Amino acid sequence: GDSVTQMEGPVTLSEEAFLTINCTYTATGYPSLFWYVQYPGEGLQLLLKATKADDKGSNKGFEATYRKETTSFHLEKGSVQVSDSAVYFCALIKAAGNKLTFGGGTRVLVKP
Amino acid sequence: EADIYQTPRYLVIGTGKKITLECSQTMGHDKMYWYQQDPGMELHLIHYSYGVNSTEKGDLSSESTVSRIRTEHFPLTLESARPSHTSQYLCASSEVSTNEKLFFGSGTQLSVL
Repeated sequence: GDSVTQMEGPVTLSEEAFLTINCTYTATGYPSLFWYVQYPGEGLQLLLKATKADDKGSNKGFEATYRKETTSFHLEKGSVQVSDSAVYFCALIKAAGNKLTFGGGTRVLVKP
Repeated sequence: EADIYQTPRYLVIGTGKKITLECSQTMGHDKMYWYQQDPGMELHLIHYSYGVNSTEKGDLSSESTVSRIRTEHFPLTLESARPSHTSQYLCASSEVSTNEKLFFGSGTQLSVL
């Protein structure tokens, strides 16, 4: 079945550091890929998405590129802030699918 | 902004009690979901609904039940709570046409003693 694998956390960074969270997926066909973010004490929010190969999703300084050849969708941000401390979830849905498949989540802690 | 609400935010109860976790959305979304989030943060889909009178079990087996009598309301019930039910429960909704974007509530943290 479909699956999403994320790097395990926690990831601890200093403010203004570069952040990368690895995400790879297994799915038949051509899924759409997403990053969701969960801030402390809140539900998940959609951060960005890409619906086809080579698409780049971006939002709030975060970027991720849909790489079909490596089945990856790594999340990056050039300069993190304390307010970026959260849990980040990679997810996919197939074109004919009806449910999101989530990765295990990666906790990010940014220290001042 | 998401208009999906869960109550209570926190619930501590004793073993054997019957509980209902409430979830309501004001966006008119047909699709609604319940996820169980374990302490390691992983999300498990336990129930979903495509509309009124439609309910399906998710990927993770759960002793809870759900109902969908009204579009905006998707409550989850545990007839007899046990310590193994201790978890964070997240409700979500989405439009039928764009099922990829889920709107999540803030969750209910359930602790069964």
